[in-house]
Amino acid sequence: SQQGEEDPQALSIQEGENATMNCSYKTSINNLQWYRQNSGRGLVHLILIRSNEREKHSGRLRVTLDTSKKSSSLLITASRAADTASYFCATASYGQNFVFGPGTRLSVLP
Amino acid sequence: EAQVTQNPRYLITVTGKKLTVTCSQNMNHEYMSWYRQDPGLGLRQIYYSMNVEVTDKGDVPEGYKVSRKEKRNFPLILESPSPNQTSLYFCASSLYPPGATNTGELFFGEGSRLTVL
Repeated sequence: SQQGEEDPQALSIQEGENATMNCSYKTSINNLQWYRQNSGRGLVHLILIRSNEREKHSGRLRVTLDTSKKSSSLLITASRAADTASYFCATASYGQNFVFGPGTRLSVLP
Repeated sequence: EAQVTQNPRYLITVTGKKLTVTCSQNMNHEYMSWYRQDPGLGLRQIYYSMNVEVTDKGDVPEGYKVSRKEKRNFPLILESPSPNQTSLYFCASSLYPPGATNTGELFFGEGSRLTVL
């Protein structure tokens, strides 16, 4: 059962530009998390936003959550080549397991 | 260092030859889970464990077994591997189950790339 769906599937930008990725989900959630995966490596947690929060920041990352639209966005500002990776949203609901979306592949070109 | 350790990282085997992928975490986490990742299909959950001696099926459990005899270890067993189990496998853990009010992040291992010929 797929809960989160990231959009776009792939994104290519120049260094210094901002990157925005979106995640939509279908059912009520407890929290939503974003993860980064460098090619073939384990996923690394970026940020968690709870259902009663609307926005969170962590360094160059900004996450928003709109529970009425069942969507979230991840903004990476002033992107760097090192930000090249796949980004996944994962939702957690009461009594349910984490469910991951298919991911957005971000390429940051020097 | 807090970590989830998987072994082996890479394995090539043949159809029908039983294998075990080990997973160990040193963070005293209650929740552990196995995922497989395939191109175009994202991360799919195989099995999970809420605590010692408590395991349950995820979305794609067929062909796999798990056990949770100790809190830190959660091995994945392929009794009779088949080519469709060729995949990248991840073990992950978190302090509390995902649906808990105070749930936090999942910590992932580095992955085990399995090829079944």
